[in-house]
This record gives sequence, structure tokens and C-alpha cells, in this order.
Amino acid sequence: AQSVTQLGSHVSVSEGALVLLRCNYSSSVPPYLFWYVQYPNQGLQLLLKYTSAATLVKGINGFEAEFKKSETSFHLTKPSAHMSDAAEYFCAVSSTGGFKTIFGAGTRLFVKA
Amino acid sequence: DSGVTQTPKHLITATGQRVTLRCSPRSGDLSVYWYQQSLDQGLQFLIQYYNGEERAKGNILERFSAQQFPDLHSELNLSSLELGDSALYFCASSSGLAGGNTGELFFGEGSRLTVL
Repeated sequence: AQSVTQLGSHVSVSEGALVLLRCNYSSSVPPYLFWYVQYPNQGLQLLLKYTSAATLVKGINGFEAEFKKSETSFHLTKPSAHMSDAAEYFCAVSSTGGFKTIFGAGTRLFVKA
Repeated sequence: DSGVTQTPKHLITATGQRVTLRCSPRSGDLSVYWYQQSLDQGLQFLIQYYNGEERAKGNILERFSAQQFPDLHSELNLSSLELGDSALYFCASSSGLAGGNTGELFFGEGSRLTVL
């Protein structure tokens, strides 16, 4: 069975500071891993994805994530937070074939001026 | 714009009633997924259809049912509604079932259901 754990339901950073959102996964097969972002009153949109190619994945809006198999982690980072980054972020895992994508509980990012 | 269209955007109804939520996937996508998002449960997978057939089932209540039609649009039917069914219901689509489908989903903007 697959599962995703996001550490911290709320994260607050200052504008210009490093953003680090943590995600650990559990999967019995090589996983596909994703980060999605949800802005207020909108649906989720894909930020980036890991599909067994490069372990460091770059996404949109300056975000990136590193797949670490030994730590079963896929943490999301951004060097410098912007006010527009304030949103809810979801880590997700699926197996080959994408039958079912399992989402974490989400982390709400607050950015202070 | 993800290309996934959901209607209605907002719906207010009473307990015991039945509602139907509609989803049109991205052009060419064969898989449709339904998710329920609530404050206490987070984002819960309900059900997946591929080219008209049910393929995976999640935490979907027996009072809920779904189908995917030949034109690939999907409907989620919620009956005997309870207060706890108030939530945001998302539809998502993806291109295929296997062999290249990484599970990347394209989400609609959701249908917000309020049960009074």
C-alpha cells in the first residue's frame, strides 16, 4: 500500500526566506511522486513530478524537489519565498499505471511581508 | 485553465436530497477521477473511471455513485445527503490507464456542496 505523510500542516516564512515543505512516502514499488499547489478557490495544479529520471526535479515558479530513496523523502524547496507562493501544497504518490494517486494532508504556506 | 470543466461550481441543498455533479475531462483524456476535499478529511480519493469502466475505488460511500459516459464526461451522484457531505468535490483527468501514465492529474476547479 502507498501512503504520503506531510510534516507540518502549516508553515510560515518571511518573504525572501527559504521555503521547505516536507514529504515522506511509503511505497512497495518504485513510486511516481508529485507536488501540487492549490490557490484559494481553485483546483490543484501540478508543481513538479518525479518519474525515476533525475532525482532533483525542477518545477514551476522556482520550486524544486529532491527524491531521496534512502530517506523515502521528496521535500519541496524554494530559495526565496514570494508573497504569491502563499497557498496549500500537496505531496502525492502513485504507482506505475497511475491507477490511484494518494495525496498527503496538505501543508498551508503563509508568507509574511 | 486545466481543461477540466466541472458544474455546478456551487450547490446548496438540504439533508436527504440528491444531487448530481458533472465533469468534462480534458480533450483526449480517458481517465476521470473524483476526489472529496473537506477540512477534517483532507483530499480523499473516491473513484476512478477509464473509458467508461470503473477502475479503482477509494473511500466512496454507498450513497454515492458515479459513471462515465461514452463521450467521456462523468457524473457523481450523491444521495440521502447528510450535513457531513458538505465539501468540495473535485474531478480530475489524465491521459491513460497504464504504460506511460505517470498518474499526473489535471484538476477542475471543483463543485462546492453545502448541505443544510
